[in-house]
Amino acid sequence: DGGITQSPKYLFRKEGQNVTLSCEQNLNHDAMYWYRQDPGQGLRLIYYSQIVNDFQKGDIAEGYSVSREKKESFPLTVTSAQKNPTAFYLCASSMGTGTYEQYFGPGTRLTVT
Amino acid sequence: AQKITQTQPGMFVQEKEAVTLDCTYDTSDQSYGLFWYKQPSSGEMIFLIYQGSYDEQNATEGRYSLNFQKARKSANLVISASQLGDSAMYFCAKDAGGKLIFGQGTELSVKP
Repeated sequence: DGGITQSPKYLFRKEGQNVTLSCEQNLNHDAMYWYRQDPGQGLRLIYYSQIVNDFQKGDIAEGYSVSREKKESFPLTVTSAQKNPTAFYLCASSMGTGTYEQYFGPGTRLTVT
Repeated sequence: AQKITQTQPGMFVQEKEAVTLDCTYDTSDQSYGLFWYKQPSSGEMIFLIYQGSYDEQNATEGRYSLNFQKARKSANLVISASQLGDSAMYFCAKDAGGKLIFGQGTELSVKP
């Protein structure tokens, strides 16, 4: 089955630790995205990548880092510099950027204490 | 900056009735796309329907249709014959320079 996987579904970390969230897709999509969602809010774009080895900052990139070494994978690292990292993180992919439907993974709920 | 506005934080609808979820957007783009997504309590985002700004007809997908009024910059989602499984958050989104901008969402509750 084609789709996007994110692991783990729930993640707990101590304050001051970096943590990496996994995102893998087997849809052969060129573009991938990371969003953050806070309770009762819409999605905000953290980073996106239109092609392998290239990525751009979204609206709230501070305290986050990404890599895109393979077409299928777009891991997100939440660094200790992110002031309020507890949130729901969603990964998505699409055939291209612009007027293309984005397909979403199931999300990772990160709690930092 | 471009903005998507969903003015209804919460909506109730009786099962089997139709409901309209509002969405307005702010843009100077001539060509763009508008999307609606559903987010059940499980958290994943499910694509529902797409409308291109130059599409002459309103988009329809099964029980979902878009009431697109370009001059008013609105793209309201109409769900016909509501089902209990339609209870969820609904988000309107617009493409903007290679990314999507999302509204704050509307929580729809379907009553039996």
